Amino acid sequence: DAKTTQPPSMDCAEGRAANLPCNHSTISGNEYVYWYRQIHSQGPQYIIHGLKNNETNEMASLIITEDRKSSTLILPHATLRDTAVYYCIVRAQSNFGNEKLTFGTGTRLTIIP
Amino acid sequence: EAQVTQNPRYLITVTGKKLTVTCSQNMNHEYMSWYRQDPGLGLRQIYYSMNVEVTDKGDVPEGYKVSRKEKRNFPLILESPSPNQTSLYFCASSSRQGFGSGANVLTFGAGSRLTVL
Repeated sequence: DAKTTQPPSMDCAEGRAANLPCNHSTISGNEYVYWYRQIHSQGPQYIIHGLKNNETNEMASLIITEDRKSSTLILPHATLRDTAVYYCIVRAQSNFGNEKLTFGTGTRLTIIP
Repeated sequence: EAQVTQNPRYLITVTGKKLTVTCSQNMNHEYMSWYRQDPGLGLRQIYYSMNVEVTDKGDVPEGYKVSRKEKRNFPLILESPSPNQTSLYFCASSSRQGFGSGANVLTFGAGSRLTVL
């Protein structure tokens, strides 16, 4: 699975959009980009994933560059409850194999009142 | 509510005293897995199971056992716990998708914080 690079920490004002970048320059054509977050020692929580196209769900939007070498997770209106460590993970879909996720160090996002 | 339930959430024990951390999911997922999380080391996979009676080692299986007798349950067994197994443990499950669907979405439990003295 491709390696990802994320800034170690970011701050964002409450109510503003939080934009979390992720570089994955060695991504392969069959690898998806996943985002999870972990709120203070709770279990990691799935946010969103994508392959080539931009994706949006009720939690966030995922913007993937055309060359797929980087992506941005957007939390449109950040709240204090969005304070967490955000993990960008790149991996190929495992067809009936180990669904292991490799978590890096992530970005610690702090929402400031 | 769809969830993965772990018990106990917190446990302090002593070296050598066998313990079991239970994990149960109500989503009819085939795949289940255990991770441990330690400061500076991130989340590391201990064991995984692709279906009932099918288990395999992850990256850090030493000192642990698992079993998968029923689809919903995947207990983690520490036969003789040692202080280096003090950690935060997470169970996770996933429905296995067919090729092309792209969804390797894991649902994690709330975690079990284990301290071995």
